[in-house]
Amino acid sequence: KQEVTQIPAALSVPEGENLVLNCSFTDSAIYNLQWFRQDPGKGLTSLLLIQSSQREQTSGRLNASLDKSSGRSTLYIAASQPGDSATYLCAVGEEYGNKLVFGAGTILRVKS
Amino acid sequence: DAGVIQSPRHEVTEMGQEVTLRCKPISGHDYLFWYRQTMMRGLELLIYFNNNVPIDDSGMPEDRFSAKMPNASFSTLKIQPSEPRDSAVYFCASSSWDRVSDQPQHFGDGTRLSIL
Repeated sequence: KQEVTQIPAALSVPEGENLVLNCSFTDSAIYNLQWFRQDPGKGLTSLLLIQSSQREQTSGRLNASLDKSSGRSTLYIAASQPGDSATYLCAVGEEYGNKLVFGAGTILRVKS
Repeated sequence: DAGVIQSPRHEVTEMGQEVTLRCKPISGHDYLFWYRQTMMRGLELLIYFNNNVPIDDSGMPEDRFSAKMPNASFSTLKIQPSEPRDSAVYFCASSSWDRVSDQPQHFGDGTRLSIL
């Protein structure tokens, strides 16, 4: 059974810092990997989707990498801002990406 | 474009009552997913549909839970009878199939369910 772990569970940084969130998974036979953001009382917003054949994806200040063989992904956030404060969730996609297995998330706080 | 719409946003009811959660997916999306989020278990997939047909319901916790998708623009998740341990936030998500690249799932804002 696939298990997804995210480290750290919580992170507090001053504004402007670059930071890395980590995600690991136990079964490397994944279809894709997605990073989501969740704001309090809201649903999830997709940030980046990396297909199994890809190594990384970038969107603005966000960069996500995938190393399928080692079961790891990282989300890099450059020049963090208070508006980046949220919970970040990693999810691995199985069954053509339709079954998502989520990690517990990293709660990020960016202090101004 | 309207996103995934869920109703109600909040529901408080007594144990034993029937609860019905509703979802309107994004127009044109052919996949619909129901998730449950709790502090203890995180976010779990309950069931998903493709073209209104249930594909995988292995995440549905008990027979008290049922889901239907009578048409492409509406789905329900029903709990009967409800129990306090069903208290959670229930999310609906939808996505489309694309032959070129994977498409992300789009989530609604959820229904916060409290069973007293």
